Amino acid sequence: QQPVQSPQAVILREGEDAVINCSSSKALYSVHWYRQKHGEAPVFLMILLKGGEQKGHDKISASFNEKKQQSSLYLTASQLSYSGTYFCGTETPNSNSGYALNFGKGTSLLVTP
Amino acid sequence: GAVVSQHPSWVICKSGTSVKIECRSLDFQATTMFWYRQFPKQSLMLMATSNEGSKATYEQGVEKDKFLINHASLTLSTLTVTSAHPEDSSFYICSARDSWGQGDREQFFGPGTRLTVL
Repeated sequence: QQPVQSPQAVILREGEDAVINCSSSKALYSVHWYRQKHGEAPVFLMILLKGGEQKGHDKISASFNEKKQQSSLYLTASQLSYSGTYFCGTETPNSNSGYALNFGKGTSLLVTP
Repeated sequence: GAVVSQHPSWVICKSGTSVKIECRSLDFQATTMFWYRQFPKQSLMLMATSNEGSKATYEQGVEKDKFLINHASLTLSTLTVTSAHPEDSSFYICSARDSWGQGDREQFFGPGTRLTVL
């Protein structure tokens, strides 16, 4: 089941903050966040497994709500290099695909000077 | 971190021909690899799960006779697009998870293969 991402697109000035949301109608096993640049493969950012978990590195962090149905990715003091499309990939319990990820439609982020 | 390679990076072929794409885990073993397809400005859609030593599991709507998957070893999975047509033109990406790793179920993606069918 494909998770729902919002917003579809966002334009920021360098230094501004952004939040990208990913939600599911069912409880998830995990949420994976990726960033993809045009014509390239997705690059792993982080994974969240536990309800209520928050984690991050540098100025990118993410949270996973207690019910494990919603995750948010936080980009603070954005840099030009943050531009790209952000995808959340989700795992559902007892998936027949065994750890395969269902990806949201993506959020296009553009950071301008 | 773990590295996944794909070969070729891009391929252009004539309609009706078959194309083989390789996915290799370079520094870890992967009993399971995944094949995704991504059309321009769209999300990654899972095509199939490749299992070492057994048949692949295909997602609904993906023709298994058209997209042949072979996972002959713990480090190699191949996807063969048979009798390719222009509508098969897409970005094909594989991913793998370290079978024996202690990590958090992280999946490592290959760099992708851009297929163009004329």
